[in-house]
Amino acid sequence: DSGVTQTPKHLITATGQRVTLRCSPRSGDLSVYWYQQSLDQGLQFLIQYYNGEERAKGNILERFSAQQFPDLHSELNLSSLELGDSALYFCASSVDGGSSDTQYFGPGTRLTVL
Amino acid sequence: ILNVEQSPQSLHVQEGDSTNFTCSFPSSNFYALHWYRWETAKSPEALFVMTLNGDEKKKGRISATLNTKEGYSYLYIKGSQPEDSATYLCALTSGTYKYIFGTGTRLKVLA
Repeated sequence: DSGVTQTPKHLITATGQRVTLRCSPRSGDLSVYWYQQSLDQGLQFLIQYYNGEERAKGNILERFSAQQFPDLHSELNLSSLELGDSALYFCASSVDGGSSDTQYFGPGTRLTVL
Repeated sequence: ILNVEQSPQSLHVQEGDSTNFTCSFPSSNFYALHWYRWETAKSPEALFVMTLNGDEKKKGRISATLNTKEGYSYLYIKGSQPEDSATYLCALTSGTYKYIFGTGTRLKVLA
C-alpha cells in the first residue's frame, strides 16, 4: 500500500458524459501527478500539481482538466467522453515534485466508456 | 518529443538466472531516470531514481546503472525468482519536468 488513495476504483459511463476522478496523496506529499494507461499505449503523463499550482503539463486533452485543492487532494475531470478515453487512470504523489523525486502510485481508477 | 525505448519487450528466464534490461533515451535534456516495477493488477512501484552519469543503485538482488552521455540505463536482476515476474518500466524526466515512460520489459521467471 503506497498511501495514495484513488476513488472510484471502477467507473462505467457513456460517451458524451463527464466524470470526476479523485486522488488523495500520501500524508506530507505536496505534489500530485496524473497518468493515463490505455490498452495499446504505455503510461502517459497528463499533468502535475505542486501545492495547488500546476507544475507541468503532458499529453492532456483540452476536454480534461485537473486541480489540486488546499487540502492537497486532486481531482481529474474528464468531459465529452469518447470511447478512446477508456483507460486506467493513475494518480501518484511525491514529497516536493522535483524531477528526481520518488513517485508513489495509487491503485488507479479504471474508466470504461460505452 | 523525446522517446524512451526499452529492450527487450519481454523475456522468460529460469529461476536462478541473472538477467538485464536496457532503457535508452536521448542523452540531451536529461534530468533524472526512474525505474519502476509493475506487477499485474497492481500499481507501479518505484525502484530507483538516478540522476548522475555513472550512478549505480542497488536494492537487494536488483541493481541499476546509468550512462547519461550515451543515453542508456541497465537494470540487472541477480538470481531471478518467480516473485520478480513483473513489467519493469523506466521513465525519463526531461528539462521541463515531463515524465516520459518507456513501454516496459515484461519479465517472466519460470520456477
